[in-house]
Amino acid sequence: AQSVTQLGSHVSVSEGALVLLRCNYSSSVPPYLFWYVQYPNQGLQLLLKYTTGATLVKGINGFEAEFKKSETSFHLTKPSAHMSDAAEYFCAVSVNFNKFYFGSGTKLNVKP
Amino acid sequence: NAGVTQTPKFRVLKTGQSMTLLCAQDMNHEYMYWYRQDPGMGLRLIHYSVGEGTTAKGEVPDGYNVSRLKKQNFLLGLESAAPSQTSVYFCASSYPERVGTEAFFGQGTRLTVV
Repeated sequence: AQSVTQLGSHVSVSEGALVLLRCNYSSSVPPYLFWYVQYPNQGLQLLLKYTTGATLVKGINGFEAEFKKSETSFHLTKPSAHMSDAAEYFCAVSVNFNKFYFGSGTKLNVKP
Repeated sequence: NAGVTQTPKFRVLKTGQSMTLLCAQDMNHEYMYWYRQDPGMGLRLIHYSVGEGTTAKGEVPDGYNVSRLKKQNFLLGLESAAPSQTSVYFCASSYPERVGTEAFFGQGTRLTVV
């Protein structure tokens, strides 16, 4: 069975500070991993994904994530938060038949 | 490019009423999905389809039915709406022939059952 755990339903950072959103997964087979962002009253947009190869993946808007198999983690980071980063972020894992399993989400608040 | 389009965007139903949510995609994707989003629970898979004429149950299928008569459309039906089905519904599609392809999402349908 596959599952995704996102630690912290709400994260608050100051503008310019490091953003770290945590994601751990469990999967019986090698997974594909994704981070999506959701702005208020909108659908989900892909930030980045890990399939194979390099374990550090870069996405849009300056975000990146590192796949650590030994820790079953795929944490999302951004060196310097911007006000426009305020949104809800979802980690997801995809396995057989490309079904996607999502974490419960982390709402990021950016303080001026 | 429209991508994934959901109709309607908002709906209020009375308990016991029925309705159909329509999802249309113009990307020629084989796989389509219906999710519901509830606060603190992320997105949960209701039903999915791996191709025209096929459907399968996801994590929370009870109270919903689906049909995929055409490749580009995926319909979600509520036969007798209940307040517990108040949620935001998202349709998504993906192209599984490409390894690790992502899901593309519609803008959502906000449904309230009173």
